Amino acid sequence: AQSVTQLDSQVPVFEEAPVELRCNYSSSVSVYLFWYVQYPNQGLQLLLKYLSGSTLVKGINGFEAEFNKSQTSFHLRKPSVHISDTAEYFCAVSDANDYKLSFGAGTTVTVRA
Amino acid sequence: DAGITQSPRHKVTETGTPVTLRCHQTENHRYMYWYRQDPGHGLRLIHYSYGVKDTDKGEVSDGYSVSRSKTEDFLLTLESATSSQTSVYFCAISERFGGGANTEAFFGQGTRLTVV
Repeated sequence: AQSVTQLDSQVPVFEEAPVELRCNYSSSVSVYLFWYVQYPNQGLQLLLKYLSGSTLVKGINGFEAEFNKSQTSFHLRKPSVHISDTAEYFCAVSDANDYKLSFGAGTTVTVRA
Repeated sequence: DAGITQSPRHKVTETGTPVTLRCHQTENHRYMYWYRQDPGHGLRLIHYSYGVKDTDKGEVSDGYSVSRSKTEDFLLTLESATSSQTSVYFCAISERFGGGANTEAFFGQGTRLTVV
């Protein structure tokens, strides 16, 4: 089974500044990668996913992520954050031959004015 | 939003009592999952189902059982609730994995369970 490490548990950031959330996963022949966002007291919403093809993936709300196979990483970025981006972000991975998602521990992003 | 309903949304129960949480979907998706969310652990898979009457254990299955008698319903039972099972429980559904364009999981709103 895959394992996922989110390298930062908390990321404070000022409004309109860039943010990067780091995610590493255990190696496998072929994986699918996801970033989910959870706003307070809500369920999880998909931000973006990498299945195959271009290593730069664009998602909703101006987020993007880059798949790096050699470094087994899938870092999430946004060039300019808003107060409304305050949330918890989860990286998740699935083996190509499996149908279970394994999640990281989450990164809490707090955007300050 | 994907049609996923979890019930109840909140529950307080006493140690040693059985508890059943329900996940109902209207999407006719094949795969259904139960996760628990705890601070510092992210989401951990409890049990999952890959079809009616087909279920399997996840990484934190001890003390939990599941049943799926219909495509749309996936029940999670805490056989004898303990304080360590106080958590937020999420149901998820997926039509498929394997790289197709609709490879992803959709999540319910969660059930907050407190065992006292």
